[in-house]
Amino acid sequence: GDSVTQMQGQVTLSEDDFLFINCTYSTTWYPTLFWYVQYPGEGPQLLLKVTTANNKGISRGFEATYDKRTTSFHLQKASVQESDSAVYYCVLGGGLGAKLTFGGGTRLTVRP
Amino acid sequence: EAAVTQSPRSKVAVTGGKVTLSCHQTNNHDYMYWYRQDTGHGLRLIHYSYVADSTEKGDIPDGYKASRPSQENFSLILELASLSQTAVYFCASSDRDRGRSDYTFGSGTRLLVI
Repeated sequence: GDSVTQMQGQVTLSEDDFLFINCTYSTTWYPTLFWYVQYPGEGPQLLLKVTTANNKGISRGFEATYDKRTTSFHLQKASVQESDSAVYYCVLGGGLGAKLTFGGGTRLTVRP
Repeated sequence: EAAVTQSPRSKVAVTGGKVTLSCHQTNNHDYMYWYRQDTGHGLRLIHYSYVADSTEKGDIPDGYKASRPSQENFSLILELASLSQTAVYFCASSDRDRGRSDYTFGSGTRLLVI
């Protein structure tokens, strides 16, 4: 079945640092790849979507890219702020069963 | 504003008791989902529905039932609650283009089984 592996469980940075989070995925379908962000006390919300057609997504200063050859996708931001502190999920969609497959999440803490 | 509303926001249940979690959406979406969140596991799909009066099993359906009486409402039922079902539960909705559209999640229900 579909699977997503998110290697970094926790990341701690200082303001203005560079952020890079990496995931790998496995699927037999043409994937649509998402990054969701979850703030405390809230449900996940869509941050970015990347399809096999466009290879890249940009939103709120975040950039997501994917590499079909290595079946990996990444989230990066040039300069993080304290307000970016949250849990970030890489998510795989596009297969059968009307479902999204979530990675384990990366908790980002940005120190002022 | 389109939204997904879950109730209750939190609940304490006794082992062996029945628990019903409710979800209401105003997005006019066809698809609705119940996910469970545990630390280190991300979110895992329990049940979903693509039309009223029909539900489908997700990845971890054991111990849970679901009910979709209308397009707007989707319930998750724990007939005999167990300690292992302590978790945060999220409801979500999406439109017909399943898997390729973004989901709208509710704010979650924190369930503690004692």
